[in-house]
Amino acid sequence: DQQVKQNSPSLSVQEGRISILNCDYTNSMFDYFLWYKKYPAEGPTFLISISSIKDKNEDGRFTVFLNKSAKHLSLHIVPSQPGDSAVYFCAASANNQGGKLIFGQGTELSVKP
Amino acid sequence: GAGVSQSPSNKVTEKGKDVELRCDPISGHTALYWYRQSLGQGLEFLIYFQGNSAPDKSGLPSDRFSAERTGGSVSTLTIQRTQQEDSAVYLCASSLGLLSTGELFFGEGSRLTVL
Repeated sequence: DQQVKQNSPSLSVQEGRISILNCDYTNSMFDYFLWYKKYPAEGPTFLISISSIKDKNEDGRFTVFLNKSAKHLSLHIVPSQPGDSAVYFCAASANNQGGKLIFGQGTELSVKP
Repeated sequence: GAGVSQSPSNKVTEKGKDVELRCDPISGHTALYWYRQSLGQGLEFLIYFQGNSAPDKSGLPSDRFSAERTGGSVSTLTIQRTQQEDSAVYLCASSLGLLSTGELFFGEGSRLTVL
């Protein structure tokens, strides 16, 4: 039962262009969403989050959009840089279900110079 | 250090042996999580400790897996009678509490290889 799904295992983007990473979820009780970035041989690091009471959160080059009716969120990176190349994980939690964080399968982003 | 510390960083064991993986969370963090990432897979939730509450063990794949957290700090994940499918990177993370107040901080993981 995959509650958080990232259907694109990989994405390749040209430097300077926009990267759009997508995530879908099935549990309507999720009320907090996060994106993590992972380099090889390192633990994931937090990137950006959004509460279900919002539909957009922006932090520098990174913006997360939440569409609750579609149970869909996306991460936009603009402009993309080669250093952004990593695996990006979408995650979600429900405070009334203990708050544990459920992750998607990840999308490997490759930004080419 | 100030981050989440995991040991060992690498462990190679023979099928059928027991292994213990240790996690030292960030001081003051009340929540502690164990995840695993198998080759080519996402992060699979295993178990979650929050303060003095009973742990959420819903992600443990079998009764060969167990975890404890002593004194609300260090945690040990134990895998008994290891199988080849247990091979994965086991990641520990901690947070201040409910995620609405902050994100998870991950360790670098313990890579387990079962021969």
